[in-house]
Amino acid sequence: EVLLQQSGAELVRPGSSVKISCKASGYTFTDYYMHWVKQRPEQGLVWIGRINPANGNTVYAEKFKSKATLTADKSSNTAYMQLSSLTSEDTATYFCTMPVFDYWGQGVMVTVSS
Amino acid sequence: DIQMTQSPSSLSASLGDRVTITCRASQDIGNYLSWFQQKPGKSPRLMIYGATNLEDGVPSRFSGSRSGSDYSLTISSLESEDTAIYYCLQYDKYPYTFGAGTKLELK
Repeated sequence: EVLLQQSGAELVRPGSSVKISCKASGYTFTDYYMHWVKQRPEQGLVWIGRINPANGNTVYAEKFKSKATLTADKSSNTAYMQLSSLTSEDTATYFCTMPVFDYWGQGVMVTVSS
Repeated sequence: DIQMTQSPSSLSASLGDRVTITCRASQDIGNYLSWFQQKPGKSPRLMIYGATNLEDGVPSRFSGSRSGSDYSLTISSLESEDTAIYYCLQYDKYPYTFGAGTKLELK
């Protein structure tokens, strides 16, 4: 059974960074891209980017190129997303999903507040 | 970027009604179109992929179709458990783009 287990909710200060994780199980981690999706409260879904865990190759939506950094650790079958220079606009739930959005993590709520 | 124009933004229908939601793509995306259902506090659920293919476990009352650049999700006979927000997604070209969503409620 494919499972994507994401890390817990985060409360972070404006201007700081946060790194959230997505631990994959039930399939060969390096066989499929991992995508990340943002959903602000009561808003729609926005694609952030994707990583190829086999080689670390990444593709980002333009608006997230300076905001998000995607990485993957093959030894622990875990994908990560770091968000930097956080503002209130980054308050959202962040999902990992693969391979073509068939499977989703439970989401991580990131709240940016002083 | 490819724009996905989804309509309507909200829809109120009765049990047993036939319901159709549409997304129009601003460029050719072939059949690289998926539909998702999202209920409050939950992750999105894949319903349709490749424009017309039913994901495993999805009830057969759901179907997807394409007419040119218009892609549709149809529920043949609405059930109470179908109340949710529905999103389309094009995954033909980066950046992948979602429609704005359709909130489906019971009348």
